[in-house]
Amino acid sequence: AQKVTQAQTEISVVEKEDVTLDCVYETRDTTYYLFWYKQPPSGELVFLIRRNSFDEQNEISGRYSWNFQKSTSSFNFTITASQVVDSAVYFCALNRASGTYKYIFGTGTRLKVLA
Amino acid sequence: GAVVSQHPSRVICKSGTSVKIECRSLDFQATTMFWYRQFPKQSLMLMATSNEGSKATYEQGVEKDKFLINHASLTLSTLTVTSAHPEDSSFYICSALLPGQGHTDTQYFGPGTRLTVL
Repeated sequence: AQKVTQAQTEISVVEKEDVTLDCVYETRDTTYYLFWYKQPPSGELVFLIRRNSFDEQNEISGRYSWNFQKSTSSFNFTITASQVVDSAVYFCALNRASGTYKYIFGTGTRLKVLA
Repeated sequence: GAVVSQHPSRVICKSGTSVKIECRSLDFQATTMFWYRQFPKQSLMLMATSNEGSKATYEQGVEKDKFLINHASLTLSTLTVTSAHPEDSSFYICSALLPGQGHTDTQYFGPGTRLTVL
């Protein structure tokens, strides 16, 4: 069975602090895709990143970085120098590389960045 | 690129009426779209997979006669909540699958529709 766990329900940080959002997944597939989405208060889910299971290189995009560790089945997301605009719910998702395109979503982590 | 729109963004209706929500992929063709429902402070719950030109595939527990889905073109899917009741009040989100190479397709989400049934 596939599963995505985001154990952190809510995190509060002060602006300019670094924060890491955890994502742990379970799958028996050898090929799969992992995603992060941001859902600001407006409600729209914004695509942040897609990572396939064969690419374990960490990725950096501005203040965002992602650490993919197959050995621990984790795909963590770090925001450096957080800003108030980063306040949102962040979802991690898993997709199989065959069959349907359905995503398995985690329960989300609500990030509050305080000024 | 990869913009998905939803209309309306917010709707209030009386119990017993039907409400139609549109989901459009604005700059790409999507043979597959998805409809989700999200309760306050919860994750997304997949309701159905909408495939252009064929019947939608509903998730277990979702009433297909209650939530009618039509995917008439490569850029438009509609969700009709029939005979709406207060318990149908929720945030409905659609996504469209942007084709990629192999199985690298990515879902892009619409801004959501907040339905309130009085």
